[in-house]
Amino acid sequence: EDQVTQSPEALRLQEGESSSLNCSYTLSGLRGLFWYRQDPGKGPEFLFTLYSAGEEKEKERLKATLTKKESFLHITAPKPEDSATYLCAAHSGYALNFGKGTSLLVTP
Amino acid sequence: DAGITQSPRHKVTETGTPVTLRCHQTENHRYMYWYRQDPGHGLRLIHYSYGVKDTDKGEVSDGYSVSRSKTEDFLLTLESATSSQTSVYFCAISEFDSSSTDTQYFGPGTRLTVL
Repeated sequence: EDQVTQSPEALRLQEGESSSLNCSYTLSGLRGLFWYRQDPGKGPEFLFTLYSAGEEKEKERLKATLTKKESFLHITAPKPEDSATYLCAAHSGYALNFGKGTSLLVTP
Repeated sequence: DAGITQSPRHKVTETGTPVTLRCHQTENHRYMYWYRQDPGHGLRLIHYSYGVKDTDKGEVSDGYSVSRSKTEDFLLTLESATSSQTSVYFCAISEFDSSSTDTQYFGPGTRLTVL
C-alpha cells in the first residue's frame, strides 16, 4: 500500500532557529512530490513540486529536496509568519497521497 | 485560492438529510477533485472529474455522489448525511490529468457538521 509519512507531527522553533521537516514515501513509480502550506481554516497553498532524486527548489526561507525515499523541507532562519501546517503529497499516477502534516510553530 | 470558490463555507445539518456542496472555478481547468480532511488523517480523495459528465471514484467514495454539468461547477452530494461525514471538505482543480502530475490548487474549504 502506498504510504506517505511526515515527521515530526509538531515542531516548535525559536525565530531564527533553522530546522527540517521530513516526508518519507513508499510508492512505486513516483511521479511527483508536492509540498503545501496550510494555515488554520484555509485550504492548502501550493509551495513546490519535485520530480526526481537530487532535485532542489527554493522559495524565500524554504528549500525542498528529494531523494529516492524521502523529501525534506528545510526552513532557514524562520519567522513567526512561517507558522503553519506543512503537507507533503506523493503522486503515483492515480492520485495524490497525502501525509498527515507537520504543524510548525515559530515563536518570537 | 486560484479562482476557486466553495459554498457554503459552513453548514450544520442533521443525520439523514441530503446535503450538496458546490465548487466553482474560474480557471477553466479540466480536472476537479473533492477531498475530505479529518484529524489524524491526511487529505483523502472522495471523487474526481476529468471533464463534463466524466467522474470517477476516489479512496473514500462510499456515501457520496458527484455531478459535473458545466466545466466550472463540481457538486458533491451526501444523499443521507451521517455523523461520520462530519469533516472539512476541499475542492481542488488541475489543468492536466493525474498522469501528468500537474499541480492541484485547492479551494478554501467547507466545514460540515452532521448532528
